[in-house]
Amino acid sequence: GAVVSQHPSRVICKSGTSVKIECRSLDFQATTMFWYRQFPKQSLMLMATSNEGSKATYEQGVEKDKFLINHASLTLSTLTVTSAHPEDSSFYICSALTLFSYNEQFFGPGTRLTVL
Amino acid sequence: RKEVEQDPGPFNVPEGATVAFNCTYSNSASQSFFWYRQDCRKEPKLLMSVYSSGNEDGRFTAQLNRASQYISLLIRDSKLSDSATYLCVVTRLAAYKYIFGTGTRLKVLA
Repeated sequence: GAVVSQHPSRVICKSGTSVKIECRSLDFQATTMFWYRQFPKQSLMLMATSNEGSKATYEQGVEKDKFLINHASLTLSTLTVTSAHPEDSSFYICSALTLFSYNEQFFGPGTRLTVL
Repeated sequence: RKEVEQDPGPFNVPEGATVAFNCTYSNSASQSFFWYRQDCRKEPKLLMSVYSSGNEDGRFTAQLNRASQYISLLIRDSKLSDSATYLCVVTRLAAYKYIFGTGTRLKVLA
């Protein structure tokens, strides 16, 4: 149980395009989903917290107009990187919380974004 | 100063060795503590939660010292497959947010 999927697993795009990444909880309803970014040889940095039906809460320094988050249902959250640039190339990982897992987040497999 | 700090390593140890990692945290309001393992280019996977009483799972033992604000992970009888980055995670109940340490790289050598 508690499986989280992400799609796509890898994406390469040209500078200036927008990329959408989907995060789905497959066998549970996620009360909260989180989006992280990880640059090479660095740790995971929280970008935003997403609750179903409400606006995402962004961490300091994360541009909400550049990283659009939509959490339309209890099983799906999307992250759209708008007008991507090479410096946005990174490993993006989502995670989900359930009501039944005390504080434990379940992670998706990640999406590797490369912007040319 | 970072909220959660770890020695980045790498720790290079021979197979069969015992290795220990420490992680310090600065916020005394921290509530939950975890050790995660991350393999290269993969998502982090939960290794174990850490409790004040300490806990053990096979070759892995985790300890929490609230007074000194650190957690530790001990790996006994290291296997080649233990080679990975070990991430310390601290969370505060009210925020449900994970604060990740920078990770400690372990390489177990044959």
